[in-house]
Amino acid sequence: GAGVSQSPSNKVTEKGKDVELRCDPISGHTALYWYRQSLGQGLEFLIYFQGNSAPDKSGLPSDRFSAERTGGSVSTLTIQRTQQEDSAVYLCASSPELAGVSLSDTQYFGPGTRLTVL
Amino acid sequence: AQSVTQPDIHITVSEGASLELRCNYSYGATPYLFWYVQSPGQGLQLLLKYFSGDTLVQGIKGFEAEFKRSQSSFNLRKPSVHWSDAAEYFCAVRYGGATNKLIFGTGTLLAVQP
Repeated sequence: GAGVSQSPSNKVTEKGKDVELRCDPISGHTALYWYRQSLGQGLEFLIYFQGNSAPDKSGLPSDRFSAERTGGSVSTLTIQRTQQEDSAVYLCASSPELAGVSLSDTQYFGPGTRLTVL
Repeated sequence: AQSVTQPDIHITVSEGASLELRCNYSYGATPYLFWYVQSPGQGLQLLLKYFSGDTLVQGIKGFEAEFKRSQSSFNLRKPSVHWSDAAEYFCAVRYGGATNKLIFGTGTLLAVQP
């Protein structure tokens, strides 16, 4: 079946603009994660969804970052007033796991969105 | 704080040689351990995982890893490296709780010489 898809694959924006990044998880996966991969910080957790709820937002770096998930499926990560330090690859992952259990379940990653802020 | 250490940033091996990539994790009651591989421009692909039972786990592409609780290590091995194994390798751990997030190491970039 189809894997996790993300769009756009590349996004170039000007400092101060808002951007939206989209993630389509594997059908039926209840858990969805956003991670950020940057040169200086490696792979960092941003936010975790279980269904449409986000029980863990602890990785969002500032209030300029927000995310939502609708219908237990598609998720959008929004970055407002982008800064140059937001430049990174944003990775989405989904998993069939339930909250607090199934820790051995695999997270399946999408190809990522490369964001460049000029 | 929970953390994962991959002490080797960059490793170069000859094709056909054996490989061992090191990973150490901070103490946790029941660590769930993963190795992912990332080829250039690609997302992360799971190689193998450990959560219980036999401490030597087999994965895809001929990789294996051994969990050693006494050393807090989960090293990745391959007996004979192929040129197509050139990629970046990430070790990750999760401990559960309110979130099942993965905590990643900084990665090891593997180059394969002909």
